[in-house]
Amino acid sequence: DAGVIQSPRHEVTEMGQEVTLRCKPISGHDYLFWYRQTMMRGLELLIYFNNNVPIDDSGMPEDRFSAKMPNASFSTLKIQPSEPRDSAVYFCASSLRTGGNEQYFGPGTRLTVT
Amino acid sequence: GQQVMQIPQYQHVQEGEDFTTYCNSSTTLSNIQWYKQRPGGHPVFLIQLVKSGEVKKQKRLTFQFGEAKKNSSLHITATQTTDVGTYFCAGRGTGGFKTIFGAGTRLFVKA
Repeated sequence: DAGVIQSPRHEVTEMGQEVTLRCKPISGHDYLFWYRQTMMRGLELLIYFNNNVPIDDSGMPEDRFSAKMPNASFSTLKIQPSEPRDSAVYFCASSLRTGGNEQYFGPGTRLTVT
Repeated sequence: GQQVMQIPQYQHVQEGEDFTTYCNSSTTLSNIQWYKQRPGGHPVFLIQLVKSGEVKKQKRLTFQFGEAKKNSSLHITATQTTDVGTYFCAGRGTGGFKTIFGAGTRLFVKA
């Protein structure tokens, strides 16, 4: 298996622009997580899905952030409008309900908002 | 809400010395996981502990889960330069599937 795939790997955008991050989970995994990592705040859980349904979005910082999972093999995290404080590495991870429940992380998207 | 505290924030060791990082939760956990993130990389799963008082070993790494299922530790014996990175604990509460990550302990190993 190719593992969790994220695109783009790097994104540089100007304040006010819309940013869309993409994730393809491992085939067969029924949980998908979006995290944000910064030096100041560490690794924060933004939202997670089970069987394509959002279960907990309490970590989404504000209305500028939205996430969707239209099918089992694709999810997006959108920021509109973006702000400099959104600069971070965004990770997507997927997991199986059964077994060890360990999360498999993608390589991340490094977002820079100028 | 559930909080997971991890100490120390940083640790510098000489190669061959031991290293320990500690994790404490404000609430009882159903399980705790440990991950390692190399510089510039992504978190990689190491192990999961589920039972009260559980101890697991992976070569030079020893993981413990407290009797009350609120704390955990990771101990590395005789560190090597390949151990460099940030070690995170991640606790799951007794309800739901949400996992809260600690702030991580960054390990530096001097050869």
